[in-house]
Amino acid sequence: SAVISQKPSRDICQRGTSLTIQCQVDSQVTMMFWYRQQPGQSLTLIATANQGSEATYESGFVIDKFPISRPNLTFSTLTVSNMSPEDSSIYLCIASRGFWQFFGPGTRLTVL
Amino acid sequence: AQTVTQSQPEMSVQEAETVTLSCTYDTSESDYYLFWYKQPPSRQMILVIRQEAYKQQNATENRFSVNFQKAAKSFSLKISDSQLGDAAMYFCAYIGGSQGNLIFGKGTKLSVKP
Repeated sequence: SAVISQKPSRDICQRGTSLTIQCQVDSQVTMMFWYRQQPGQSLTLIATANQGSEATYESGFVIDKFPISRPNLTFSTLTVSNMSPEDSSIYLCIASRGFWQFFGPGTRLTVL
Repeated sequence: AQTVTQSQPEMSVQEAETVTLSCTYDTSESDYYLFWYKQPPSRQMILVIRQEAYKQQNATENRFSVNFQKAAKSFSLKISDSQLGDAAMYFCAYIGGSQGNLIFGKGTKLSVKP
């Protein structure tokens, strides 16, 4: 198994600012993903964090808004840039090793 | 593209009774995995059960079992002897043989009545 930690666990931010969320896995994983879960909704994939190269973004998500880094096999960051109230959501890091999936606890973001 | 559909936004069950949550999916892949996850309010996602597509036998975990109909692309979850702690959002999810990302359904909110 693998244990994932995310920092911060929650934050309240002002519109127009940026927040960087960290995802740390306690062991090597194959893939790391960033998802968004808006209130009462399902999980939507933002991007796949690729080690040492640019992330792969899903339709509707762009690098300027959600820059992602993955400098090694166990760590990734997601930045939510120029935030607006519509960005209020839970941001979730998910890592995989083969067909096993490991979930972070999520970061609850509120934008005022 | 693969899709996962949960047609029941909300379900309710009496404590100790049995409830079935529905899930259908669409894929052209032959090798894949299906999952049911439980998300209690404001808490982390919990794996309930998983099914490998190549296995004909339905997966079972204690009070939780699935009815996997590969030809029909159906993957329902049966919860027996429902308990108050089973109340949560339940998500059906799919991952393909290429080991990409999880694809989630919209979820079913399960309420358990005492």
